Amino acid sequence: GENVEQHPSTLSVQEGDSAVIKCTYSDSASNYFPWYKQELGKRPQLIIDIRSNVGEKKDQRIAVTLNKTAKHFSLHITETQPEDSAVYFCAFRGSTLGRLYFGRGTQLTVWP
Amino acid sequence: EAGVAQSPRYKIIEKRQSVAFWCNPISGHATLYWYQQILGQGPKLLIQFQNNGVVDDSQLPKDRFSAERLKGVDSTLKIQPAKLEDSAVYLCASRDLKSYEQYFGPGTRLTVT
Repeated sequence: GENVEQHPSTLSVQEGDSAVIKCTYSDSASNYFPWYKQELGKRPQLIIDIRSNVGEKKDQRIAVTLNKTAKHFSLHITETQPEDSAVYFCAFRGSTLGRLYFGRGTQLTVWP
Repeated sequence: EAGVAQSPRYKIIEKRQSVAFWCNPISGHATLYWYQQILGQGPKLLIQFQNNGVVDDSQLPKDRFSAERLKGVDSTLKIQPAKLEDSAVYLCASRDLKSYEQYFGPGTRLTVT
């Protein structure tokens, strides 16, 4: 079956530093790769997504890069702030039925 | 616009009991999803509806789980009988057909004792 590997499972950074989370997916025909942020006890919220026809997308302090050949995509957060602390999930859209496959999540902690 | 609504927010039941969850998607969203999120893991799709038809229920444990979306709007997910391993957050999400973005509801936290 389809799957996505997400690393690291936990990440601690100092405020102001950068954070990078990486994912590897299985479906070479996938065309949509979202990232969700989930704060404790709350719903997952989309923070950025990328389609397969571009290699990079930025939105203020967050960016996502996609390498379709290697089936890798990454989330980059610059100038981290304590409010960035949350669990981040990567996902990809399966090409057969369009369902999302989620990674296991990365617990990001930003220390002031 | 109003978001995805779910109820109840919390439910505690004993094993072998039954439970039902309700979801009201964003108005106009034809696609509705039910996910199971076990503590420390990402959401796992249980079932996907488009309008009132099932698109994907390959991961739904059909011996105990059922779901319906009779009029193509609200949906209910039922577990009967519940097992300890069903303890999780059940998330509902919806999507407009013109977009890939899924919007999640607040979830129902189920504890089976």
